[in-house]
Amino acid sequence: GQSLEQPSEVTAVEGAIVQINCTYQTSGFYGLSWYQQHDGGAPTFLSYNALDGLEETGRFSSFLSRSDSYGYLLLQELQMKDSASYFCASPLRGGGNKLTFGTGTQLKVEL
Amino acid sequence: DAMVIQNPRYQVTQFGKPVTLSCSQTLNHNVMYWYQQKSSQAPKLLFHYYDKDFNNEADTPDNFQSRRPNTSFCFLDIRSPGLGDAAMYLCATSRAGGPEEQYFGPGTRLTVT
Repeated sequence: GQSLEQPSEVTAVEGAIVQINCTYQTSGFYGLSWYQQHDGGAPTFLSYNALDGLEETGRFSSFLSRSDSYGYLLLQELQMKDSASYFCASPLRGGGNKLTFGTGTQLKVEL
Repeated sequence: DAMVIQNPRYQVTQFGKPVTLSCSQTLNHNVMYWYQQKSSQAPKLLFHYYDKDFNNEADTPDNFQSRRPNTSFCFLDIRSPGLGDAAMYLCATSRAGGPEEQYFGPGTRLTVT
């Protein structure tokens, strides 16, 4: 089986930096994706880490450590519009074209 | 330039009355997915198509069926909706072998009365 655990909620202030963690347990692992979902909206792809290390895309960065079965999404210069749910997700080894989603983290950005 | 389109955006149906949700894509992706998402939960995969090959999740109720008549279109049929089927239904697509990056439609919010 495969499971990805995230904190249920994170709160931070505008302009700050926040890290959303994802720990996983899996019998096989390809890589880690991150999705953003605003209330009432659809998930939007943010990034994918196939290899260990840090991937940077503007204000957002994503990190993966296979040896620790752990990854995180780093959001810098937080803005109010970053308030959303964030999901890590992983393709299933041997699972064809499927993703397993993490439990999700609700990020609240305050003034 | 919408890439994954879902209709309708909001659907109200009566308990037990069949309903069909539709999804179309302009990305020409091989894979199409249907997810169910309830409040404060992660999307739950119901089934997916690789081209015309249908892949059902083991825990998807028989009440849920799907059709993919061509590359662009996919339908979700709920044969006898129950109150527990009220949810957001999300359609997504991906390239073959690229499930890590999925493109989601805006979703259909289903209400069962």
